[in-house]
Order: sequence, then C-alpha cells, then structure tokens
Amino acid sequence: DTGVSQDPRHKITKRGQNVTFRCDPISEHNRLYWYRQTLGQGPEFLTYFQNEAQLEKSRLLSDRFSAERPKGSFSTLEIQRTEQGDSAMYLCASSLVTGTNEKLFFGSGTQLSVL
Amino acid sequence: KQEVTQIPAALSVPEGENLVLNCSFTDSAIYNLQWFRQDPGKGLTSLLLIQSSQREQTSGRLNASLDKSSGRSTLYIAASQPGDSATYLCAAYSGYSTLTFGKGTMLLVSP
Repeated sequence: DTGVSQDPRHKITKRGQNVTFRCDPISEHNRLYWYRQTLGQGPEFLTYFQNEAQLEKSRLLSDRFSAERPKGSFSTLEIQRTEQGDSAMYLCASSLVTGTNEKLFFGSGTQLSVL
Repeated sequence: KQEVTQIPAALSVPEGENLVLNCSFTDSAIYNLQWFRQDPGKGLTSLLLIQSSQREQTSGRLNASLDKSSGRSTLYIAASQPGDSATYLCAAYSGYSTLTFGKGTMLLVSP
C-alpha cells in the first residue's frame, strides 16, 4: 500500500487522558499536513511540516496539541488532557510540492471520541 | 481570508440522473481547486484537480469546471449511480500551504 496511512482508525478515551496519533505519508512526499474535521464541516487546517520542519500552526492548535515529524518521515499528533470538544476526525495528508503545484493525498483519518 | 461555500448542502436524486454540485470561493487568487469525495467515517479521496490556468478537467463520468473570475467551480456527475452516494468537498489552494475546504454537499443517489 503506497497511500497515506493513519493509526489508529478509532480512539475512545476519557476526558483528561493523553492520546497520540500516527501518520505515515507517501514515501517521496516532502510535506505533511494535519487537519481536523467535525461532523458536517469541512476539514480545518491544524499544522504542516516541510520535511522535518514544522512551518505553520493554526490558532486551532492550542498548547495541549503538539505535532512532530522526526527525520521528515512519519508524524505524530499528541493531544494532552483531552476535552470533549476535541472529539473529531483527525486527518493526515501528504504532498510533493513542485513549483506552485501541490496536490494533497489524504489518509483514512483517526476518529477520536472523548467521553 | 479565503472562504469556500458549497451549494446545495444535501442533494437526493434517482439513479441515472445527471447532476451539478456548486462551489464558490471569495478570493480568486488560487493556484488550483480540488474536488474530493468522502464516504461516511472515512478519509478524503481526490477526484479532480483543476489548475488555475485550466477551465475544466474530466475523469470518467465526472467533469469539473473552474471560472476564476467569478469565483466558481462546478462538479458535474453524469448518469449517477447509487455508488456515487457520498459527501463531495471542494477545496481552494491559495499557495503557501493554504487549502481551504467547503462544508461539502451530501449526495444520495437512490436506486
């Protein structure tokens, strides 16, 4: 499988717990994105990496959220002290930027439910 | 700030009908516009990408058009099938990693 893969597919946790999600991008892609999607809404940008450098973070990304991409390969998104409002689908995408052309490929997402 | 709107929010059609989904964006300075399909509880599957210099793209029964000057894109689905039932999202790419999504159109094609 050469697509973007995310793990786990589903995560149920209790409020206040920490959770970590993993994303493995398409191997030759240099950019990796995290998006969040709630029911009935389009995906909202959280953060992105160019290789291992985190270049932009949305205001949606509170200090309870942290993302890493060590060695420019896979990425992890950690949420500390989860709140019920964190319940959403967390989507990862990767792309290979050539000039001004960029096409994103999305994974299947991690559905988080905070009880 | 780019805003993307999709109309209608939901659409129900009988099998075999041709249909059009609409997408509008406020900032015409885009590099490309992408249409995605999303099945319930799943990730996004890219359907078509139209570069800013292009007017339309076709893939099978799908045809997407782009009119930058009016800030509009349409996705035309010919001879709809029940398997086309899904949410369709459009997203405008404005460069510098900025991909702005609409809320989607939920399509139901009944047999």
